[in-house]
Amino acid sequence: DAGVTQSPTHLIKTRGQQVTLRCSPKSGHDTVSWYQQALGQGPQFIFQYYEEEERQRGNFPDRFSGHQFPNYSSELNVNALLLGDSALYLCASSDTGDYYEQYFGPGTRLTVT
Amino acid sequence: QKEVEQNSGPLSVPEGAIASLNCTYSDRVSQSFFWYRQYSGKSPELIMSIYSNGDKEDGRFTAQLNKASQYVSLLIRDSQPSDSATYLCAVNDNNNDMRFGAGTRLTVKP
Repeated sequence: DAGVTQSPTHLIKTRGQQVTLRCSPKSGHDTVSWYQQALGQGPQFIFQYYEEEERQRGNFPDRFSGHQFPNYSSELNVNALLLGDSALYLCASSDTGDYYEQYFGPGTRLTVT
Repeated sequence: QKEVEQNSGPLSVPEGAIASLNCTYSDRVSQSFFWYRQYSGKSPELIMSIYSNGDKEDGRFTAQLNKASQYVSLLIRDSQPSDSATYLCAVNDNNNDMRFGAGTRLTVKP
């Protein structure tokens, strides 16, 4: 049973560039959430996708956008990168009917220089 | 502002002891509560979930929830060096808004 997968593992970008991160949910899961985790902090909720729609959004600017595909996989896009966007980006998947238990992928480490 | 608070630690316990991790939350409508373990450089791993007041046991782990006091805890019995990690408390208000504490770093000394 495949768990949550994310790509790429690491990424280095320059300030002002755009980046796309990808996530495939755990088999049987239909909901994908994205989080940003800065060093020494807990994950911060960016947004959640269900049925290809953004269902809930955290306190992140419009530079952060996403998409969910019919196969439930998802992308996170960040435009106009800032140095402060450097973080571990985590994708978590869940089954809507399962008390919101979320399972995380390995994450993408983004470094903005 | 909905907050989830944890003691950042580090919490150090000897091997074989009980480790007690605590978490408080500010939003009274919170319904689902989770504990995640995160090893350095890795992603969080779900270890316990609890939804109603009282205790829930799973192997060496016991989660305790007191909604009246807005308090959730995790006990780790017979702590092992492999339990050394950061433990994250997460709270969900059933509006798909999962909030995490900053985590408590636990060190189990052989």
